[in-house]
Amino acid sequence: GAVVSQHPSWVICKSGTSVKIECRSLDFQATTMFWYRQFPKQSLMLMATSNEGSKATYEQGVEKDKFLINHASLTLSTLTVTSAHPEDSSFYICSAWDRGNNEQFFGPGTRLTVL
Amino acid sequence: DAKTTQPPSMDCAEGRAANLPCNHSTISGNEYVYWYRQIHSQGPQYIIHGLKNNETNEMASLIITEDRKSSTLILPHATLRDTAVYYCIAGYGKLTFGQGTILTVHP
Repeated sequence: GAVVSQHPSWVICKSGTSVKIECRSLDFQATTMFWYRQFPKQSLMLMATSNEGSKATYEQGVEKDKFLINHASLTLSTLTVTSAHPEDSSFYICSAWDRGNNEQFFGPGTRLTVL
Repeated sequence: DAKTTQPPSMDCAEGRAANLPCNHSTISGNEYVYWYRQIHSQGPQYIIHGLKNNETNEMASLIITEDRKSSTLILPHATLRDTAVYYCIAGYGKLTFGQGTILTVHP
């Protein structure tokens, strides 16, 4: 399957700082990418839909001012967790949608720990 | 996305076929059936997807009933490395994950 990368794979930060996570589609151009987060022993929860060249669409209950999404190119979407707090500690996963083949591939995830 | 229902856990002996069921009775006409699996602390791995017809690839086979209300993922010869959480999702574009099935393959 296609490769989607994420950077960094893990990050530890202090409370109040901002953290940027990158998601890259390496094998195809993705006009749409998605961001999920996963808490321990739970399933993936969709946070937002990232559309190239337009504003992201956020799921109910997800603060758009706290989780800033930028999809500036067809191969890169970024998620910035602003003013992070310990409750934001989670596993953040992105996916890239290959519309032509109706396939969606996931990145390896980024483990965020906020102290 | 249509809601899917999967058994919370299943066991399978190594070398045998693993048949994982999924119900998606409210699936709409343009929604595909996707299967992913996740091993602890990794991103979901794509397995297979289909719309109406049965599909097969190097990893698995997907059997979709004619009314599309349920499907079965078949791992033909399960190995210990197939132990994972398997997610069945019915959707198009935006995918909603349920709780999945924890498949344990034992020697």
